[in-house]
This record gives sequence, C-alpha cells and structure tokens, in this order.
Amino acid sequence: AQTVTQSQPEMSVQEAETVTLSCTYDTSESDYYLFWYKQPPSRQMILVIRQEAYKQQNATENRFSVNFQKAAKSFSLKISDSQLGDAAMYFCAYRGNTGNQFYFGTGTSLTVIP
Amino acid sequence: DVKVTQSSRYLVKRTGEKVFLECVQDMDHENMFWYRQDPGLGLRLIYFSYDVKMKEKGDIPEGYSVSREKKERFSLILESASTNQTSMYLCASSFWTPNSPLHFGNGTRLTVT
Repeated sequence: AQTVTQSQPEMSVQEAETVTLSCTYDTSESDYYLFWYKQPPSRQMILVIRQEAYKQQNATENRFSVNFQKAAKSFSLKISDSQLGDAAMYFCAYRGNTGNQFYFGTGTSLTVIP
Repeated sequence: DVKVTQSSRYLVKRTGEKVFLECVQDMDHENMFWYRQDPGLGLRLIYFSYDVKMKEKGDIPEGYSVSREKKERFSLILESASTNQTSMYLCASSFWTPNSPLHFGNGTRLTVT
C-alpha cells in the first residue's frame, strides 16, 4: 500500500503571513492524484486543492497553492495571506490511477495567530 | 453540491450493543467509504464499496461489517460495540474515475461506555 507522510503534527502562522505544510508519499505508480483536505472544528472535511501527477504545472486555488515535486515525491501546500478561518486540521491524500482507495497522512494542525 | 449525510452526529452506546451508522449520498457515486479518525493516526479505512452489494476490507475491518443494498446508502455495523471503538467515524463517497475526489459527511462521534 502507498504511504503518505505529514511530518509536521502542528504548525502556526501569523495572520496575513504565509505558511507551507509538507507532505511526502511513496508510490511505484507513474500516474496518480494528490489532494489536500481541510477539516475545521466543525469536522466537515473540505477539498482544498488537487493535483494530477501528469501535470507539471502546480495547482492553485485562490490563496492556496501546491509545490509538487514528482521526482522527490513531495506535495506541499502553501497558504498565502493566512486568515483566522484557515485554522484547521489539514490532510494530504493520495489516489492511484488504478484502484479505488485513498491514502491519507496523519494530518497537520494549523493555528492562525491574530 | 454533493451531499453526504450521516444519520447521527453524536452517538452513545453501551458495550456489547449492536450499532448501526448510516450514510447516504445524493450524487450517484459508485464508491463509498467508511473511515475511522483518531488523534495522531489520521484517517484509517475500515471498509469501502465500489458497487451495490460489493465490499472490500480496508486497513482495520476487525469488529466491523458493512452493508450496501442501494447505491446511495452505505451502512457501518458494529456487531458488538467495545470501548476501543470509541472514535470519530467519517463516511465518504466518490466516482470511480481516479481524478474524482472524496466527498465527506460531517462525521459521527461514537462513544462506547
């Protein structure tokens, strides 16, 4: 099974600053999909951003962007202009091109300091 | 908007009880999943289903079973609840296509006393 590693259990950032959450994964597949999910205190998991491995261009969604390094098997999430509402648990996830399973990291808890 | 609905937000059960957690999705997704979420362990897959009446074990199926009689509904069953099954349970669904993300319900926090 693929493994997904989030090495930062907790991170904090000042409001309006930028923070980067790291994620690495292990796979032998060449085509796959990567996702970042946000889980605020309300518990509702929300898709933040997705990246297709075959695309070289890094995905961007408003203040959220990724740094996808395929050779290094790294998929970090950058949050710019951090807002109080960004405080949440963030999970990195992998889905292969075959099969139905998603593989999740253990999460990073982000605190935003006013 | 995709809606995944879990029948209970909070549930308290006694040891040995049979527990049913229900999940319904309204987007005609082929795949449905049950995860367990514990602090420091992330999301662990209990079971998933890729079609009606089809199921596959995930990483931690022991003590659980599932049922999918209709495409939109996926039930998780704890045959005899134990205190170590106290946890947050998340249901999710997706299309079968690999680029399809998971859509989650808002979780059931189960406490077994």
